[in-house]
Amino acid sequence: GAGVSQSPRYKVTKRGQDVALRCDPISGHVSLYWYRQALGQGPEFLTYFNYEAQQDKSGLPNDRFSAERPEGSISTLTIQRTEQRDSAMYRCASSLQGSSQPQHFGDGTRLSIL
Amino acid sequence: GQSLEQPSEVTAVEGAIVQINCTYQTSGFYGLSWYQQHDGGAPTFLSYNALDGLEETGRFSSFLSRSDSYGYLLLQELQMKDSASYFCAVVYSTGKLIFGQGTTLQVKP
Repeated sequence: GAGVSQSPRYKVTKRGQDVALRCDPISGHVSLYWYRQALGQGPEFLTYFNYEAQQDKSGLPNDRFSAERPEGSISTLTIQRTEQRDSAMYRCASSLQGSSQPQHFGDGTRLSIL
Repeated sequence: GQSLEQPSEVTAVEGAIVQINCTYQTSGFYGLSWYQQHDGGAPTFLSYNALDGLEETGRFSSFLSRSDSYGYLLLQELQMKDSASYFCAVVYSTGKLIFGQGTTLQVKP
């Protein structure tokens, strides 16, 4: 596709369930980022991949959060044993390699934990 | 730690010029970027300053002064469609972005 694609767009689940959020980056983009955005706030960095290697996971809040990008393309962010505080918009972005490259964001997954 | 400060709201009239300031307390970053976000949609890239000085892209310009830990986004010839949230973000060597809290710009007729 032309842009970053995220699925599902909306996810509602009960507390304690595991969720998997998917990101399909722009073709050819080797860098992939996950962010979390609360209403009225700026995106908050979670983790970063260069190709299939997870280079930085310093923003993951705790060990319930994990991410993978096994083939250097599609990435999955998994949250285990969800809690209400995990409710937020989760956004994925991709870019060409290099700090000066603009990041292209997807429309996000709105996660609601009941 | 890292922190970026922006005004929470700015209001201007159509056709005017507006400046959105960003001050930061962080170090070791590569540059300062600005992103625009309409109504909770996907943030879109506006500009990037790696060096001190002014970068101009059409109606938008961005400025960085590392010695003053300060940057700004300048929007000229404001249009109604410029009503949106604007975020400054420091950019690290990996491309990791640390965002400010955002400034909501309201453009009035």
